[in-house]
Amino acid sequence: DIQMTQSPSTLSASVGDRVTITCRASQSISTWLAWYQQKPGKAPNLLIYKASSLESGVPSRFSGSGSGTEFTLTISSLQPDDFATYYCQHFNSYPFTFGQGTKLEIK
Amino acid sequence: EVQLVESGGGLVKPGGSLRLSCTASGFTFSSYTMNWVRQAPGKGLEWVSSISSRSNYIYYADSVKGRFTISRDNAKNSLYLQMNSLRGEDTAVYYCARDGPGAIWGQGTLVTVSS
Repeated sequence: DIQMTQSPSTLSASVGDRVTITCRASQSISTWLAWYQQKPGKAPNLLIYKASSLESGVPSRFSGSGSGTEFTLTISSLQPDDFATYYCQHFNSYPFTFGQGTKLEIK
Repeated sequence: EVQLVESGGGLVKPGGSLRLSCTASGFTFSSYTMNWVRQAPGKGLEWVSSISSRSNYIYYADSVKGRFTISRDNAKNSLYLQMNSLRGEDTAVYYCARDGPGAIWGQGTLVTVSS
């Protein structure tokens, strides 16, 4: 099974900051990676698919990059609505495992 | 409106069974692979199971293999998860989801396994 490791687990940042979250796969997954945002008590919301494609309706301050085993989610200028937990998930082969999550907190 | 609505969650004793349902609307359900994903209280997301559009490919996480059965009825736009031999560690919010571009998730249904 492919393991997904996110870093950091927690990130403290301020409105307007540029932040980057990293997701590493235990083996190559090409670009079969998605990023989700989840707020407390809500279902996850897809942000990025195929590593770098922005989901329709998602603000352009979100971007994804990477291929193979290393991927990043970047928020170019944090907004108050962005404080949430972020997950990566691979779609290379079953089981489609998630990373453990990165909680983005207000500094 | 494009949506998924789960139902069937509740409190069940260890060793018991429960059947979750997910009803789709607003899109061509029969064209999509569908998934169940769960989230234990205060924990991360865990992929549980997937079923292809015509039910010819089915996959399970090792943690539920042999105990859970995924199925679908395209005529009823419905996805199901039969859960048997439930354990405390199965306590979670269970989401049905359509992945890929235009991903859709339901609101989730809580399953609590406790005596």
